[in-house]
Amino acid sequence: GAVVSQHPSWVICKSGTSVKIECRSLDFQATTMFWYRQFPKQSLMLMATSNEGSKATYEQGVEKDKFLINHASLTLSTLTVTSAHPEDSSFYICSARYGSSYNEQFFGPGTRLTVL
Amino acid sequence: GIQVEQSPPDLILQEGANSTLRCNFSDSVNNLQWFHQNPWGQLINLFYIPSGTKQNGRLSATTVATERYSLLYISSSQTTDSGVYFCAVRGRETSGSRLTFGEGTQLTVNP
Repeated sequence: GAVVSQHPSWVICKSGTSVKIECRSLDFQATTMFWYRQFPKQSLMLMATSNEGSKATYEQGVEKDKFLINHASLTLSTLTVTSAHPEDSSFYICSARYGSSYNEQFFGPGTRLTVL
Repeated sequence: GIQVEQSPPDLILQEGANSTLRCNFSDSVNNLQWFHQNPWGQLINLFYIPSGTKQNGRLSATTVATERYSLLYISSSQTTDSGVYFCAVRGRETSGSRLTFGEGTQLTVNP
């Protein structure tokens, strides 16, 4: 199957700092990438969808100025959590797909963010 | 939007037992995937199965699209099968590009 990587795997930061998470599709071109958030013992919640070269589409209730998404190439998307606060602590997972919505979607290993 | 219900929410098995996990969805779909989330959080693709039946080793899945459900079968379970199993669908008429996830089934396989 296709491989999606994320970096870093975990990050601890102080309140008020910004954190950047990278998501890469290693062996396919990701025309669409997705960012999810998962709280303990809960399901995945979609934050935003991005197509290469276009602005991301954010889900209702997700602050676009807080969570900056850049999908600059067909193999790289980044999520920047700006001015992070303890309530932003969570498990962030990226996902990627090639082509239409009929196609299979693949997930990265996730990034655990802890904001002190 | 489309609703996805998984059952049971929790399942505890002895090693070697068989199990069936169910996923019901509220509308027509053009994509259905089953995932296993391991203890480290990685989602592993098990099946891409918007319709029909597939098998991969001890796992198999069946989706009956006309009746809006999918089943995941695990045979001869092993302790490494433990984790959360998610069903995710993409509605045919709505939902844009997004996959909608169910709440998952937490599977624990005891030695």
